[in-house]
Amino acid sequence: QPVLTQPPSASGTPGQRVTISCSGSSSNIGRNTVNWYQQFPGTAPKLLIYTNNQRPSEVPDRFSGSMSGTSASLAISGLQSEDEADYYCAAWDDSLNGWVFGGGTKLTVL
Amino acid sequence: EVQLVESGGGLVQPGRSLRLSCEASGFTFEDYAMHWVRQSPGTGLEWVSSISWNSGSKTYADFVKGRFTISRDNTKNSLYLQMNSLRAEDTALYYCAKSFLGGSYYAIDYWGQGTLVTVSS
Repeated sequence: QPVLTQPPSASGTPGQRVTISCSGSSSNIGRNTVNWYQQFPGTAPKLLIYTNNQRPSEVPDRFSGSMSGTSASLAISGLQSEDEADYYCAAWDDSLNGWVFGGGTKLTVL
Repeated sequence: EVQLVESGGGLVQPGRSLRLSCEASGFTFEDYAMHWVRQSPGTGLEWVSSISWNSGSKTYADFVKGRFTISRDNTKNSLYLQMNSLRAEDTALYYCAKSFLGGSYYAIDYWGQGTLVTVSS
């Protein structure tokens, strides 16, 4: 079972704003920053958000991240068909002394 | 351009060993922590092991402790994963990944394309 909890699926129509949640504990999200990854079928994950809310330069500003307590969220505004992918959250866990991931959320653009 | 190229995967019988390699280019390899993360078919990402920039810190997921060993050769820009006593549940695509900085707790920012390990008799 993944240490971080994400909803298995999410959906929205083009132009909508969707959010994906990620719930953890005091040993991971409660102490360390959260990163988000986007993965298309058959390809490697790509860093989308790091340190809770920072975007690599090539990531559109439609993607944003936030964190509060032991939970984090990824928001995608102005949803586009090419956003259809799997999204994973990740954080360093001080108790496990390693990385923990969410189970992934499959985003469908209706 | 950062490139991480894994190799060494394949079909192996339960109980046998396999050594994965990852050749890095496009960045100063010796400055960054590196990781192995796996993904079983149709499932999510699962951290396996991390090594700091100077090999001073090596950490493992509980399910591989005592069986897998991570190492690196900064003179060859290469990362390795020695996998012993392989089990069917180790079947997965193994990704080599790089951290943002030298410590293993820094964000993983680049991933290779993965090498497939299949453990089956």
